Amino acid sequence: DTAVSQTPKYLVTQMGNDKSIKCEQNLGHDTMYWYKQDSKKFLKIMFSYNNKELIINETVPNRFSPKSPDKAHLNLHINSLELGDSAVYFCASSPDRPNTEAFFGQGTRLTVV
Amino acid sequence: GNSVTQMEGPVTLSEEAFLTINCTYTATGYPSLFWYVQYPGEGLQLLLKATKADDKGSNKGFEATYRKETTSFHLEKGSVQVSDSAVYFCALSEWSSASKIIFGSGTRLSIRP
Repeated sequence: DTAVSQTPKYLVTQMGNDKSIKCEQNLGHDTMYWYKQDSKKFLKIMFSYNNKELIINETVPNRFSPKSPDKAHLNLHINSLELGDSAVYFCASSPDRPNTEAFFGQGTRLTVV
Repeated sequence: GNSVTQMEGPVTLSEEAFLTINCTYTATGYPSLFWYVQYPGEGLQLLLKATKADDKGSNKGFEATYRKETTSFHLEKGSVQVSDSAVYFCALSEWSSASKIIFGSGTRLSIRP
C-alpha cells in the first residue's frame, strides 16, 4: 500500500495554463507538506498544513494555492504557470508531534514549455 | 533561523571505499536530525535519524552520530556499493506551531564499480 501518493507523476503543460497536483496519505498523519525540488536538487518547503489548516507558507507566489479538503489530502493548484515553475514537487506527511520524520510521495515532475 | 549545511558534491568513490558526507546544523532548540536518500527518479526515503545528543542512527551500513558540541551529523559508511549511488540529504526537524523539516542542499554520490 502506498503511504503518500501523488498524481500525476509527470505533467507537461504550456505557459499560462492552470494545473493541479493531488496528494493523498493513508498514514493517519495530521500534518502535510508541499516541497519544491529544483534542477540542482535543492529542496524547499512551500506549505505545511495541520488538520486542514494552513500553518506554513514560505513566501510562495500567490499563483500557488494549496487546498486541503480533509486531513488525508493536500492538493496544489497552480495558476498562470511560468517557465520557472518547472521542478519536481513532493508531497509529504508527518505525525503531529515534535521531532518526527516526514514521509514523502514519489514526486510530480512539472515541465512548463 | 535554523539551517543545515552539507558538503557539496558530487562525490565519486570506488566500490568498497570509505564514505563520509559532512553535515552541520544551526538550531536554537534541540532538533531531531535525519539523513534522507533519493535514488534516481524516486522520492525521498528516510535513511536514519537521531533524536538527541550522542544518539547514533544506523541503517543499511550507514551511520551518523548526533554531536551537539560540534553541531554535526556526518554520514559514514565503511564500504560503499554501486547501489549506494544516490543523492543524500541531511535534515533537521524543528517544532513551533507545527513540525517543519529543513533540508541541506543534498550531496550526489556516485560509486564506480
